[in-house]
Amino acid sequence: DQQVKQNSPSLSVQEGRISILNCDYTNSMFDYFLWYKKYPAEGPTFLISISSIKDKNEDGRFTVFLNKSAKHLSLHIVPSQPGDSAVYFCAASALRGSQGNLIFGKGTKLSVKP
Amino acid sequence: DTAVSQTPKYLVTQMGNDKSIKCEQNLGHDTMYWYKQDSKKFLKIMFSYNNKELIINETVPNRFSPKSPDKAHLNLHINSLELGDSAVYFCASRGSSPYEQYFGPGTRLTVT
Repeated sequence: DQQVKQNSPSLSVQEGRISILNCDYTNSMFDYFLWYKKYPAEGPTFLISISSIKDKNEDGRFTVFLNKSAKHLSLHIVPSQPGDSAVYFCAASALRGSQGNLIFGKGTKLSVKP
Repeated sequence: DTAVSQTPKYLVTQMGNDKSIKCEQNLGHDTMYWYKQDSKKFLKIMFSYNNKELIINETVPNRFSPKSPDKAHLNLHINSLELGDSAVYFCASRGSSPYEQYFGPGTRLTVT
C-alpha cells in the first residue's frame, strides 16, 4: 500500500521554463513533507521541506506547495536549469510514533533540455 | 569531507554467502538508518539506530542484522544471501532535525 505516490515517472521541460512535480499521500497523520533530489550513482540529497501547518515554502528557485484537503503537494522549479535533471523523491513523515521515519514515493525523473 | 560514506560501492556475490556493508557518518548525528531501493525504485526503510539502540525494524528478514560499534557507524550484515536481496542499499543519518536525513552514496548489491 503506497502511502506516498508520485504518479508521473518522468517529466521533460525546456530550460528556463517551470518544472512542476506532483505528489499525493494517503495518510492524514503525516505532518511533514520533504523533497529529495537524486543524481545517478549518488544518494538522495535533501532539497526542501514543508510542515503541515504551512501551505507554501520557498527557497530560491524551489517552492513547495501543500494542499492538505487534497492530500497533495507539488514542487515548482523556476527557472529550470539543465543541472536540475535528476530523480526527485517526495517523502512524508508523521513524527508522533514514527521516530522521524520517512515514507518515500517512487520518484519522478526530471529532464531539463537546453 | 564526505558526510555519510558507505563501502563497498558495488558488491557482487553468490546466493548463500554472507556479506557486510559498512556505513560511517562524520556529522555527529545520533540516529542512523538503512534503506533498500529495490528494482521498482521504492526507497524503504529497513532499520534505524539511535544511541546504539534499534528503534525501527520494518519487517525485515532476520537474515539482515544491523550492527553499530559506535555512534558514527552502522554496518549491515546479511546472511544466506538470496536473489531477492539484489538492490541498492543506502545508509542515512539524522541530527537534531526530526525529519531531514542525510544519505550515503549507496551500495549496489547483486546476488547471482
